[in-house]
Amino acid sequence: QQPVQSPQAVILREGEDAVINCSSSKALYSVHWYRQKHGEAPVFLMILLKGGEQKGHDKISASFNEKKQQSSLYLTASQLSYSGTYFCGTPENQNSNSGYALNFGKGTSLLVTP
Amino acid sequence: NAGVTQTPKFQVLKTGQSMTLQCAQDMNHNSMYWYRQDPGMGLRLIYYSASEGTTDKGEVPNGYNVSRLNKREFSLRLESAAPSQTSVYFCASNPTGVYGYTFGSGTRLTVV
Repeated sequence: QQPVQSPQAVILREGEDAVINCSSSKALYSVHWYRQKHGEAPVFLMILLKGGEQKGHDKISASFNEKKQQSSLYLTASQLSYSGTYFCGTPENQNSNSGYALNFGKGTSLLVTP
Repeated sequence: NAGVTQTPKFQVLKTGQSMTLQCAQDMNHNSMYWYRQDPGMGLRLIYYSASEGTTDKGEVPNGYNVSRLNKREFSLRLESAAPSQTSVYFCASNPTGVYGYTFGSGTRLTVV
């Protein structure tokens, strides 16, 4: 089951903030976040493992609320280099014998303009 | 510093032809994955291999087969290509468990 991301697209001016949300219909134990620039492969940003955990990567941070089965990605003081499509990924299942296959959301397209 | 290498980068097939997409990683990762990416659909899991010797179906396995040849290599085969399989295919790997994925650069496949 794919997680649901919102919004589908965001346009920002340089220096503005944005929030991207990711929610799941089933219990979550972890959430991955990736960024993909046009014509390139997705690049891993961060993983959140515990309920309520927040992590940061430069001026990009994220929170994870396992009770609400959702995660949010925060982009602060956006830079031109933040443009791209952001994906969240949630585990296919929690059976350790089945690896750690992720289901990805459909993505949020972020465009930062000068 | 190769990471995950996919070949070929581009391919055009005629309907009914077969081909194998190759993926190799040099990071000693246990788990490997195949995804397809279509406009507006995000990344959809085709097959994955949690460890050498095991493979499992993902969300969209129909029309595909995989082989985990050894720890380094995980190939994806299209036996009889269809236009619906036109897509960008990404291979990824991770050590195991709760580690981030490293993606290959992708194979852009067109079936006419």
